[in-house]
Amino acid sequence: QVQLQESGPGLVKPSQTLSLTCTVSGGSISSGSYYWSWIRQHPGKGLEWIGYIYSIGTTYYSPSLKSRITISMDTSKNHFSLNLNSVTAADTAVYYCARGKPYSGNYYFDHWGQGTLGTVSS
Amino acid sequence: QSVLTQPPSVSGAPGQRVAISCTGSSSNIGADYDVHWYQQLPGTAPKLLIYGNTNRPSGVPDRFSGSKSGTAASLVITGLQAEDEADYYCQSYDSRRSENVFGTGTTVTVL
Repeated sequence: QVQLQESGPGLVKPSQTLSLTCTVSGGSISSGSYYWSWIRQHPGKGLEWIGYIYSIGTTYYSPSLKSRITISMDTSKNHFSLNLNSVTAADTAVYYCARGKPYSGNYYFDHWGQGTLGTVSS
Repeated sequence: QSVLTQPPSVSGAPGQRVAISCTGSSSNIGADYDVHWYQQLPGTAPKLLIYGNTNRPSGVPDRFSGSKSGTAASLVITGLQAEDEADYYCQSYDSRRSENVFGTGTTVTVL
């Protein structure tokens, strides 16, 4: 059974970089055809897709965030990471990592991490 | 803001049937992109409920069903139970935005 677990500092100062890691167990992130994704949820709000890194290392980011995002993977540690730079209070959210499973030209999220709160505050 | 619109809340008594709509447009649901649904219990991560408009993953009770027509999709819960109190989100792809999008979310309350 695939499991995902987010980790990273919970508090970041404005203008700095929020760095989170998602460690995957129960399967290799470099095998299969999956979209290893980041999704966030602002307090009391809905879900917002951030971006993904595909199993072969290709990335794709939300157009609204792509100037500030980098998603990378480390196959030796079986994890993938999110760097969101120049953060403001508006980036305070619960950040989820999830596995995107291909389906009919798109994908759905069949496994999720438990989420980690990223707070931007001085 | 989201391009997929859901009612903020729906409610029903135990045993009743409730339906949640997910209204899109010609650049997402109407462009024949599939719709997926997630259930988010309070304080937990979302969980896949329906994929590919109508399909239930293993372990999801058959009282949950999905459908799609035109520019909208629906999630129906029949035989509502107290444990179904949660937030529900639809998801699809939007070609105008070139990204996956989630619906605005619906809170289901069991009276």
